Amino acid sequence: DTGVSQDPRHKITKRGQNVTFRCDPISEHNRLYWYRQTLGQGPEFLTYFQNEAQLEKSRLLSDRFSAERPKGSFSTLEIQRTEQGDSAMYLCASSFGTGAREQFFGPGTRLTVL
Amino acid sequence: QKEVEQNSGPLSVPEGAIASLNCTYSDRVSQSFFWYRQYSGKSPELIMSIYSNGDKEDGRFTAQLNKASQYVSLLIRDSQPSDSATYLCAVRDDYKLSFGAGTTVTVRA
Repeated sequence: DTGVSQDPRHKITKRGQNVTFRCDPISEHNRLYWYRQTLGQGPEFLTYFQNEAQLEKSRLLSDRFSAERPKGSFSTLEIQRTEQGDSAMYLCASSFGTGAREQFFGPGTRLTVL
Repeated sequence: QKEVEQNSGPLSVPEGAIASLNCTYSDRVSQSFFWYRQYSGKSPELIMSIYSNGDKEDGRFTAQLNKASQYVSLLIRDSQPSDSATYLCAVRDDYKLSFGAGTTVTVRA
C-alpha cells in the first residue's frame, strides 16, 4: 500500500499527558498537512509543510501543539498537556507539486482524552 | 478559513435514484474545488476535483461548478447502498482546504 499512513490509529490518554502522532505521506509528495475533525464537522486545518519547512499554522494550533517534518519525509504532531477538548480525529494528508491540487488523506488517529 | 456551506441533510434517496448535493463558498477568487466521501469512522476519500466552470463526469459522479454564483454541486447517478456516506465539499484556500460540515446521504434499498 503506497497511500498515506498514520500511527497509531487510536490513542486513549489521560488529561495532562503528552501524545505524539506520526504520519508517513505518499512517497514523493512534498506537501504534508495536518487537520483535525470532530464529530459532525468537516476537517479543520492545523498546519502544513512543504518539504521540511512548516509554512503555515492555524490559530487552532495552540502552544501545546507542535509539528515537525525533520527530513521532509514523515511528520510528527505532538500535543502536550492534553485536555478533553483535544479529543478528535487527527488527519494527515499529502499532495505533490507546487499547484497544491488534490490532497490525499491517511486513515487518521482517533484521540480520546479521559 | 473561508466559509463553505453545505446542505445539512440527511439526504435519503431510493436505490437507483439521483442524489444531488449542493455547496456554496464565500471567497469569489477560489479556483479549486473537491468532493470527498467519508464513511462512518473512516477518513475522507477524494472522489472528484473540479477547477473550471461547467460539468465534470467520472463514472456515476458528476461535479458542477458555477464560479459566478459561487456554487458547486455533486450528482450521484444510479445511487447504490454503498454510496451511503457523508460527502464533504472542500475549497482550496491558499494551500490548505476549507471544508463544509458535510451532507450525509442514505441510499435505501
